[in-house]
Amino acid sequence: DTGVSQDPRHKITKRGQNVTFRCDPISEHNRLYWYRQTLGQGPEFLTYFQNEAQLEKSRLLSDRFSAERPKGSFSTLEIQRTEQGDSAMYLCASSPASPKTEAFFGQGTRLTVV
Amino acid sequence: SQQGEEDPQALSIQEGENATMNCSYKTSINNLQWYRQNSGRGLVHLILIRSNEREKHSGRLRVTLDTSKKSSSLLITASRAADTASYFCATIPGGGADGLTFGKGTHLIIQP
Repeated sequence: DTGVSQDPRHKITKRGQNVTFRCDPISEHNRLYWYRQTLGQGPEFLTYFQNEAQLEKSRLLSDRFSAERPKGSFSTLEIQRTEQGDSAMYLCASSPASPKTEAFFGQGTRLTVV
Repeated sequence: SQQGEEDPQALSIQEGENATMNCSYKTSINNLQWYRQNSGRGLVHLILIRSNEREKHSGRLRVTLDTSKKSSSLLITASRAADTASYFCATIPGGGADGLTFGKGTHLIIQP
């Protein structure tokens, strides 16, 4: 399968712990996006990379959230000092070099903070 | 924040019937996209319509865009049980921003 892959698929953590998620985009895509989706809602944009440069960050991305894409390939999203409100599905997507085209989504990482 | 709203929030129809979903958005856009989400396959891109287009077809899908009313519709013809899913419209704003802004979605159930 050469689609977008995310790891882990599920994560349960205690409040206050740090968690890190990984996303491997489609190899020829240089744009990579992170979204968060809660139950009954559409995905909400968090941040976007073009190659290794983080070009956009949503106001939703608090100081506890950090994303990296060090070599312009895979990306990580870290949440520090998790809170129950961080419980959500975290989706990664990638798209080709041409701007403003369709995005290809991974299956997501479901985070539960207890 | 959500860009707009899909209407209806939920829709249940018989297999073989047509399903129409509407989407409204708030700001100027570069393009509007429709995605489908079900538990088995995650979010899947269905169709993209650019701001200078008014109608687009792809298989059993027909999308219209009215930029003066900031609205779009998605028509699925001859529905199948496999079309049961949540459908989201998503917009790319005009200007330099590149992240998608999604609505809350329409949950479509196709009754066999």
